[in-house]
Amino acid sequence: GAGVSQTPSNKVTEKGKYVELRCDPISGHTALYWYRQSLGQGPEFLIYFQGTGAADDSGLPNDRFFAVRPEGSVSTLKIQRTERGDSAVYLCASSPTSGEQYFGPGTRLTVT
Amino acid sequence: GENVEQHPSTLSVQEGDSAVIKCTYSDSASNYFPWYKQELGKGPQLIIDIRSNVGEKKDQRIAVTLNKTAKHFSLHITETQPEDSAVYFCAAQASGGYQKVTFGIGTKLQVIP
Repeated sequence: GAGVSQTPSNKVTEKGKYVELRCDPISGHTALYWYRQSLGQGPEFLIYFQGTGAADDSGLPNDRFFAVRPEGSVSTLKIQRTERGDSAVYLCASSPTSGEQYFGPGTRLTVT
Repeated sequence: GENVEQHPSTLSVQEGDSAVIKCTYSDSASNYFPWYKQELGKGPQLIIDIRSNVGEKKDQRIAVTLNKTAKHFSLHITETQPEDSAVYFCAAQASGGYQKVTFGIGTKLQVIP
């Protein structure tokens, strides 16, 4: 079946602008995660959703970052007043009840 | 919080040889240890995982071992092939349903034909 999809695949924006990154999880997966991966590093946890609510947002770096999942399926990661340090690959993963996580291809964000 | 250390950071092997990647974790509450393979420009792909109630798991050319007492776990790839070349990440996850995964820094594996 279809895997996790993320759009856009690439996003270039200017410093100070607002961006939205979208994740479509695998159908039926109730848990959804966002991670950020910098070059040469492993993915770093940002936030996870159980259904519609953010069950753990301890990885969000500051209040410029926000994520929603209003209907318990698609999620959007929102970044306000982007900074050059926000440049990274943003990964989304979804998980069935057994717990293993399946990742999407990521969105490469470049802030100029 | 959990801390996962992984080594080596790079590994080159001849085709047909074995490759071993080792990881340690710090949080004794972790009980699920997935391994991911990431190819250039793609997201991490789950290749094998192990839970703390077993010491070893094998799937064709890939095996994982876990020593929960020492908080060590390892990935073994036998009869390596050029298509095994990628970055491999170990990870640890705590119990209690859905929990964030803490990743190691990754190992870049190069299989030389």
